[in-house]
Amino acid sequence: GQSLEQPSEVTAVEGAIVQINCTYQTSGFYGLSWYQQHDGGAPTFLSYNALDGLEETGRFSSFLSRSDSYGYLLLQELQMKDSASYFCAVRDGQAGTALIFGKGTTLSVSS
Amino acid sequence: DAGVTQSPTHLIKTRGQQVTLRCSPKSGHDTVSWYQQALGQGPQFIFQYYEEEERQRGNFPDRFSGHQFPNYSSELNVNALLLGDSALYLCASSVIGRENEKLFFGSGTQLSVL
Repeated sequence: GQSLEQPSEVTAVEGAIVQINCTYQTSGFYGLSWYQQHDGGAPTFLSYNALDGLEETGRFSSFLSRSDSYGYLLLQELQMKDSASYFCAVRDGQAGTALIFGKGTTLSVSS
Repeated sequence: DAGVTQSPTHLIKTRGQQVTLRCSPKSGHDTVSWYQQALGQGPQFIFQYYEEEERQRGNFPDRFSGHQFPNYSSELNVNALLLGDSALYLCASSVIGRENEKLFFGSGTQLSVL
């Protein structure tokens, strides 16, 4: 089976940097994804890491260490609109290609 | 280009009833996955459809069933509704063989079971 662990809540102020960690256990690994979901909205894709290292997309970056079964999402220059839930997700390596999500981290950005 | 569309947006049912939720995938996508998201939790995988067949299933009882049509749209059916079935039901589409690419989600159907 698969399991993902991430903090339930993170708080920060505008302009700050925040890191959301994710550790995972899978029977087969096909990459780590991150999704953002605002209250009442659809999850939207942020990033995907298949190989070790850092991927940067604007203010958001994502890191992966396959040997440690660990990744993180780094959000820089935080804005109020970044207040949302963030989910890490992995493919179900044993059974196929379903994306399995963590329980999510709620980020609250204050002014 | 329309994204993933789901209907209805909200639904209220009573225990024991049956419900059907509908999903149209993003144009060009052939695979539909359904997720259940309880309040404050991550999306839980229900099942995935491709070529009108259930390709993979998560840990959900047989009360949850689905269908995919030739135009790739999909339905999720839940029989004998329980209070615990109250949740946001999300549909996501993708392209088979390109699983490493992102999923596109609809805005979901909020189901309340009274």
